[in-house]
Amino acid sequence: DTGVSQDPRHKITKRGQNVTFRCDPISEHNRLYWYRQTLGQGPEFLTYFQNEAQLEKSRLLSDRFSAERPKGSFSTLEIQRTEQGDSAMYLCASTRTDYNSPLHFGNGTRLTVT
Amino acid sequence: TQLLEQSPQFLSIQEGENLTVYCNSSSVFSSLQWYRQEPGEGPVLLVTVVTGGEVKKLKRLTFQFGDARKDSSLHITAAQPGDTGLYLCAGASFGNEKLTFGTGTRLTIIP
Repeated sequence: DTGVSQDPRHKITKRGQNVTFRCDPISEHNRLYWYRQTLGQGPEFLTYFQNEAQLEKSRLLSDRFSAERPKGSFSTLEIQRTEQGDSAMYLCASTRTDYNSPLHFGNGTRLTVT
Repeated sequence: TQLLEQSPQFLSIQEGENLTVYCNSSSVFSSLQWYRQEPGEGPVLLVTVVTGGEVKKLKRLTFQFGDARKDSSLHITAAQPGDTGLYLCAGASFGNEKLTFGTGTRLTIIP
């Protein structure tokens, strides 16, 4: 069971620095989602891809955030000029396009901005 | 904006007791999913309910989707320490491919 893989698991960075996270979805899944979760809260939707196309972006996603999925397989999420408010767990999930197909989540990247 | 409010936010009970967690919204959902999340891990799907009024059982867990498809409940019978975790409901809307997650219920079962 390959599962959804996220790298790195933890990232500590100073305010103002850029960071990039990677997500490798389950291989046959063509949908990929990014969520952000703060401690004890439910995940908040950021963006999702169908294959390589980015189909929806949340208003939470400021212009400092950019996500790509260039070949329809792995995805990257970049945050430029990080702020302390960006500190959170960034979760990636993948799924098939079947109706009600469940999301399979990775174990997340925990970002701490100091 | 669709909001899913869960109650209670925190629940701490003794092993062997029963409990119910609620998930409420003013929006109608095409389906609703329940996930459990443990510290340092991503959420893991427990169940999907699709039909208004639907009841699904998973061992000691009983899930119900409201008749109007706006709310759901999770009932746990004879809770065990292994049930400890963050329980999340998540709703899918017609024609919208993203899941909206609830605010979460942190459950602690005391041995």
